[in-house]
Amino acid sequence: DGGITQSPKYLFRKEGQNVTLSCEQNLNHDAMYWYRQDPGQGLRLIYYSQIVNDFQKGDIAEGYSVSREKKESFPLTVTSAQKNPTAFYLCASMKVRFTGELFFGEGSRLTVL
Amino acid sequence: GEDVEQSLFLSVREGDSSVINCTYTDSSSTYLYWYKQEPGAGLQLLTYIFSNMDMKQDQRLTVLLNKKDKHLSLRIADTQTGDSAIYFCAENGSSNTGKLIFGQGTTLQVKP
Repeated sequence: DGGITQSPKYLFRKEGQNVTLSCEQNLNHDAMYWYRQDPGQGLRLIYYSQIVNDFQKGDIAEGYSVSREKKESFPLTVTSAQKNPTAFYLCASMKVRFTGELFFGEGSRLTVL
Repeated sequence: GEDVEQSLFLSVREGDSSVINCTYTDSSSTYLYWYKQEPGAGLQLLTYIFSNMDMKQDQRLTVLLNKKDKHLSLRIADTQTGDSAIYFCAENGSSNTGKLIFGQGTTLQVKP
């Protein structure tokens, strides 16, 4: 079945370490997004990419990096520069020029020890 | 700037109707959305409404849009315990990049 796969589901990191979250989609969607979710704050956009080899910063890009070398893949690296990285991270994709419906993965929960 | 506001919590009895409200600021939004998130999972699109519509009904779900007041609501008829979740309102703003603006989410608690 088509969908978005995020891994790992749970991740623990020591302070000062970089960590990469994986996001893969087989929906043939053009656009992909990374959101961060904190309790009571809704979803905040970190980075997005509308086409391969191109991406833009969202509202809270500091301390994060991404790449889009393949249409199917949009990994997110949480660097040691991110001051408060403990959160639930959600990857999403969208078939551009449709109704704007986002398809979400199941999320990755990152905890910094 | 763009902003979407929701109340944080709603509790109803099983079988009652639930109404979740949302206000938004960007009048140029062409679509408004309701997403559902179950514990520990991603979001799923429940329904959406085009900005030139006042109402949309889909089985137990009714969406009402008051564009003048920038107010969106989601009514769930005959609420079930399986409807317990967080409900997010979102708008697509003035861009066509897919950058949805989400509210804080309303936690719906359904008591048996």
